[in-house]
Amino acid sequence: GAGVSQSPRYKVAKRGQDVALRCDPISGHVSLFWYQQALGQGPEFLTYFQNEAQLDKSGLPSDRFFAERPEGSVSTLKIQRTQQEDSAVYLCASSQQLGTSGGLSNEQFFGPGTRLTVL
Amino acid sequence: KQEVTQIPAALSVPEGENLVLNCSFTDSAIYNLQWFRQDPGKGLTSLLLIQSSQREQTSGRLNASLDKSSGRSTLYIAASQPGDSATYLCAVEGSNYKLTFGKGTLLTVNP
Repeated sequence: GAGVSQSPRYKVAKRGQDVALRCDPISGHVSLFWYQQALGQGPEFLTYFQNEAQLDKSGLPSDRFFAERPEGSVSTLKIQRTQQEDSAVYLCASSQQLGTSGGLSNEQFFGPGTRLTVL
Repeated sequence: KQEVTQIPAALSVPEGENLVLNCSFTDSAIYNLQWFRQDPGKGLTSLLLIQSSQREQTSGRLNASLDKSSGRSTLYIAASQPGDSATYLCAVEGSNYKLTFGKGTLLTVNP
């Protein structure tokens, strides 16, 4: 596709509900990242995929957060039993990179984000 | 742990003025540094990426410099326009691929 797309753009959930956020990366991009941006803050890293492999999930705030990328393209971030502190914008980014020695660009391209509000 | 600081937190200037945004980072072992623009309610738009081996990058009215050894970068905007009003974010990439962001500088350019 022309860019990274995310859906839904806005999500309102009642506390305790499960939510699923979708990310469609740029076609052919190997790497995919999820970030969480609280109001007035910079984005913070959640997790990273290289193709279908989740190589780093150190930023996931709790075991209620789960991400997958089963076929190495589309990714889903799932949040179980949502809490008010989960309210934030969830950003997805993709890049061509294979690794630090790879010849592909490591520039990350971001989607528009999903704004999650937990009531 | 990498920490990124952006100064100032907010800046208001009249149209036409040249301006500088500052970014500093604590760990100089970075692979690259990116400057992004974020409009209200929108995602991030990449403006410039500087690889660790580079000193600066230019795109139109924007010029970004990188001094890796001192942990500093600046974004220079020439002849500012009201359309430049946005939040500008600086981010560094370490060996683990993840970007560490600053909190951003909110820029307002007044007509």
